Amino acid sequence: DQQVKQNSPSLSVQEGRISILNCDYTNSMFDYFLWYKKYPAEGPTFLISISSIKDKNEDGRFTVFLNKSAKHLSLHIVPSQPGDSAVYFCAARRSGSARQLTFGSGTQLTVLP
Amino acid sequence: EAGVAQSPRYKIIEKRQSVAFWCNPISGHATLYWYQQILGQGPKLLIQFQNNGVVDDSQLPKDRFSAERLKGVDSTLKIQPAKLEDSAVYLCASSLVGGGYRFTEAFFGQGTRLTVV
Repeated sequence: DQQVKQNSPSLSVQEGRISILNCDYTNSMFDYFLWYKKYPAEGPTFLISISSIKDKNEDGRFTVFLNKSAKHLSLHIVPSQPGDSAVYFCAARRSGSARQLTFGSGTQLTVLP
Repeated sequence: EAGVAQSPRYKIIEKRQSVAFWCNPISGHATLYWYQQILGQGPKLLIQFQNNGVVDDSQLPKDRFSAERLKGVDSTLKIQPAKLEDSAVYLCASSLVGGGYRFTEAFFGQGTRLTVV
């Protein structure tokens, strides 16, 4: 039962353009959504988060949008840089005492110079 | 600030052998997680500790996997006996708190890549 889905395994974008990574979820009990970035042979690193009561959160070149009615969130990177090339994981935190994180399967972003 | 430390980085074992992984979380982080990441998939939570107590181990295959967190700091994850399908990267992560309304992100170690042959 995949509660967090990233349907695009890969995405290629030209340097300087916008990268849009998408994520869908099914569980209404998620209260926070996060994006993690992963380089090869390294652990995931936290990038940006958004509370379920917000619809947008911005941090520099990274903006996350949340559409609760559609159970959809997206990560926008503007402008994209070659150093942004990595696997991006969408994750959702379940409300409740344990607050576990559930991850999507990831999207490999390649920014072409 | 030192990050989450894991060892070993790589391990190759034969099926039916046993293996153990070690994790040292960020100092002061009460919550510790073990995730399994199979190639092409996202990390899957195996077990979550709050201090030295287990908060969630619902996805831990308890017939072969075990984990402990003595004194609420370091943790070890053991597999005995290993199966071919256990080949994966095992990630340890820690966060300040796991419960409550305040949001704190999890910090991950580099992981241990296990290959079972």
